[in-house]
Amino acid sequence: GQQLNQSPQSMFIQEGEDVSMNCTSSSIFNTWLWYKQDPGEGPVLLIALYKAGELTSNGRLTAQFGITRKDSFLNISASIPSDVGIYFCAGQMNRDDKIIFGKGTRLHILP
Amino acid sequence: DAGVIQSPRHEVTEMGQEVTLRCKPISGHDYLFWYRQTMMRGLELLIYFNNNVPIDDSGMPEDRFSAKMPNASFSTLKIQPSEPRDSAVYFCASSDLRVRYGYTFGSGTRLTVV
Repeated sequence: GQQLNQSPQSMFIQEGEDVSMNCTSSSIFNTWLWYKQDPGEGPVLLIALYKAGELTSNGRLTAQFGITRKDSFLNISASIPSDVGIYFCAGQMNRDDKIIFGKGTRLHILP
Repeated sequence: DAGVIQSPRHEVTEMGQEVTLRCKPISGHDYLFWYRQTMMRGLELLIYFNNNVPIDDSGMPEDRFSAKMPNASFSTLKIQPSEPRDSAVYFCASSDLRVRYGYTFGSGTRLTVV
């Protein structure tokens, strides 16, 4: 079946650093989504991307939909303590299809 | 809107007992999803409903798991009998795919089977 590979699995950074994580797929998607999960909570949608090549920002977050439609990346600039959590990429072919989730990237911020 | 509401938030039960997890989706959402999250396997889709009808239950691990959606505002996930390997966080999510992409998740139920 369809699988999403997220990298890295885990990141340890200093507060104030920029963060980059990505997601690749063995098949194409028409929509890419990025979610964040805070400790003890459910995932929350951060950014949705609908077109190949699209670059979208949400505050300090920027995400891009890869040209091949098989990958996406998420950047976080000037990280702050509340950025800690698990970041999931997700892909969807069509609106009525199931969303496929990656296994997540755990972001840790060192004091 | 109160969002997707799950109960209980935490459940500790003994092996062999029946466990029932509950979910109230966002009003007006016509899709409801049950996920299980573990460190090893990440987020796994167990089953989803559209307009209260189960569409795909291929993710349900065994016959011990069952899910129902008797009406648009309530769903249950039942495990009978429970086993220690069922310990996980179970999430319910809902969506109105005609309006937007993506699902809205509840806060989850952390299940521990001892």
